[in-house]
Amino acid sequence: EVQLVESGGGLVQPGGSLRLSCAASGFTFSNYWMNWVRQAPGKGLEWVANINKDGSVKYYVDSVKGRFTISRDHAKNSLYLQINSLRGEDTAVYYCAREGLYCSGSSCYSQYYFDYWGQGTLVTVSS
Amino acid sequence: QSALTQPRSVSGSPGQSVTLSCTGSSSDVGNYNYVSWYQHHPGKAPKLMIYDVTKRPSGVPDRFSGSKSGNTASLTISGLQAEDEADYYCCSYAGSYTVFGSGTKVTVL
Repeated sequence: EVQLVESGGGLVQPGGSLRLSCAASGFTFSNYWMNWVRQAPGKGLEWVANINKDGSVKYYVDSVKGRFTISRDHAKNSLYLQINSLRGEDTAVYYCAREGLYCSGSSCYSQYYFDYWGQGTLVTVSS
Repeated sequence: QSALTQPRSVSGSPGQSVTLSCTGSSSDVGNYNYVSWYQHHPGKAPKLMIYDVTKRPSGVPDRFSGSKSGNTASLTISGLQAEDEADYYCCSYAGSYTVFGSGTKVTVL
């Protein structure tokens, strides 16, 4: 069974930092692109960042570029999001999500949708 | 990287059909056949309902269907049921980033 379990959220002051983690199990973690998606209180979902299978390619939403860093550790089957210079508007539930995968023969291709999500971890930025 | 536009709310009686719209631009919805839809009950993990505009993952009832015309994608829920009451988000690939819609709350009357 595919499981994604986020941790690391909490209350942090403006300008502070946090490191979010997402523990993956039930699938071959190294085969999949992974993402972070967040939802601010009373707001909709917002894609934050993604990372390719080997960690060499990373993309970010404009509002977090230079402040957030996505990374992964295959030995620990874990995805991370280092969030620095936190602002009030970063207050949100942060979800990790797996991208779909299509395989044909020996070739596999990442698909542009999220087939599994974690339950989320809450980050609150407040003084 | 502007959010896709969705109606704030839609409602229907059990058994009726409702259609949710999702309007983007030629940079996202209009340029790629990679629109997906997610059902989100508050406090739970979002659930994939439709991907690649029209495809349904296994386990999703065939009451849910997707389509696209130009820069606008749509999700239709036929035979509305009480458990369909939730927030629904569209999502589109846009090259180097992904963009979600603003979300539609579906209410079953």
